[in-house]
Amino acid sequence: SQQGEEDPQALSIQEGENATMNCSYKTSINNLQWYRQNSGRGLVHLILIRSNEREKHSGRLRVTLDTSKKSSSLLITASRAADTASYFCATSRGMEYGNKLVFGAGTILRVKS
Amino acid sequence: EAGVAQSPRYKIIEKRQSVAFWCNPISGHATLYWYQQILGQGPKLLIQFQNNGVVDDSQLPKDRFSAERLKGVDSTLKIQPAKLEDSAVYLCASRRGLGGTISGNTIYFGEGSWLTVV
Repeated sequence: SQQGEEDPQALSIQEGENATMNCSYKTSINNLQWYRQNSGRGLVHLILIRSNEREKHSGRLRVTLDTSKKSSSLLITASRAADTASYFCATSRGMEYGNKLVFGAGTILRVKS
Repeated sequence: EAGVAQSPRYKIIEKRQSVAFWCNPISGHATLYWYQQILGQGPKLLIQFQNNGVVDDSQLPKDRFSAERLKGVDSTLKIQPAKLEDSAVYLCASRRGLGGTISGNTIYFGEGSWLTVV
């Protein structure tokens, strides 16, 4: 069964606005990762946050992790039309579980220009 | 650095027929994954190889799906016989090492092989 659940399922915003996507999961984790998937393409790794980290930044991306609530959020600031894609969170429980990544169902983001 | 290569990109078959997908991971990557992504869902791991050994195939429907990575490089995923519910994108991915949070252990995905079973 899939571990992560993204919210919202779909999001439509204007270029320049910020986009926030949320992910909830069920078990303890070693790390949580976010991926982007453009239509008809493979997944691209965006950012990884470890279970002992609370916030991480990469360019226009900001990820937070709250292990007490078993949730994470991905914020894309100053969105661009090129950010239009599906975004997935994926959790890993660590070496004991083969570092297997379990993906959520994703959030479809549409940025209108 | 060349990415993960997959073929064919698209395949349409009738139910009960067979199909095979091929994957060439990034050179030097020891770990190889096959994921199944049904439309509107996130990818689901089918099988994970470490070199030519299977690490995890717990979600592989072994009555109809098989995969191999004989020389620890290329891999083939086969479905025989195919069912309508097998319609999905089959994503191959690779990683240099075992994973975890060590820098350089990012998973790289191929473009996927789109299967339609009619």
